Amino acid sequence: QVVESGGGVVQPGRSLRLSCVGSGFILSDYPMYWVRQAPGKGLEWVAVISHDGINKYHAQSVEGRFTVSRDTRMVYFQMNSLRPEDAAVYYCARGLSATEGHGHYVYYGMDLWGQGTTVTVSS
Amino acid sequence: QSVLTQPPSISAAPGQQVTISCSGNSFNIGNNDISWYQQVPGAAPTLLIYDNNKRPAGIPDRFSGSKSGTSATLGITGLQTGDEADYYCGTWDTSLHGWVFGGATRVTVL
Repeated sequence: QVVESGGGVVQPGRSLRLSCVGSGFILSDYPMYWVRQAPGKGLEWVAVISHDGINKYHAQSVEGRFTVSRDTRMVYFQMNSLRPEDAAVYYCARGLSATEGHGHYVYYGMDLWGQGTTVTVSS
Repeated sequence: QSVLTQPPSISAAPGQQVTISCSGNSFNIGNNDISWYQQVPGAAPTLLIYDNNKRPAGIPDRFSGSKSGTSATLGITGLQTGDEADYYCGTWDTSLHGWVFGGATRVTVL
């Protein structure tokens, strides 16, 4: 399973770090995603990181403010300069696989999702 | 506005069949494998179909996927009340260097 933690209530402009841990599988064998869902809205991909942490991509909506990283035990999502529109349930998900060619990566979706952690941005 | 286009809702009676379309372009569906996700209200999404038409272990064969050109389809046969959920298509977009989801299709069992 995949388990997220670190959500909470934070003021606009402040920071928060989410964490994600996997059990029952070797975390470092898989790419990992962060996907968010604002209240009443659809799924929005926000970040992906390769199994070895060498490659990472972020959605334009969070580029420069949020950063995905990982070590052998956990995946992290550092969220800075939070805005009210960042309020959402944040899901961590295990990736199926990825391929690399000409310096660019292609990812193949998520096969195991956590239950999500809620981030509320409010003054 | 989602990069991938899905119908917002579909409804059918128990036992019937429904198909959900997902339309994209050559940078996403046209060149990459698509996956489908089910999200029951109040729960996290789960993987239904990957690599266009493969089912993970535990997903019944009532669910099927196909892809042609820049479009994909999810089919559900023998509709059950437990199939009431939001369904999302998703794939990699090589021009955006990011994952893209469709805008969700709400399936209602009448």
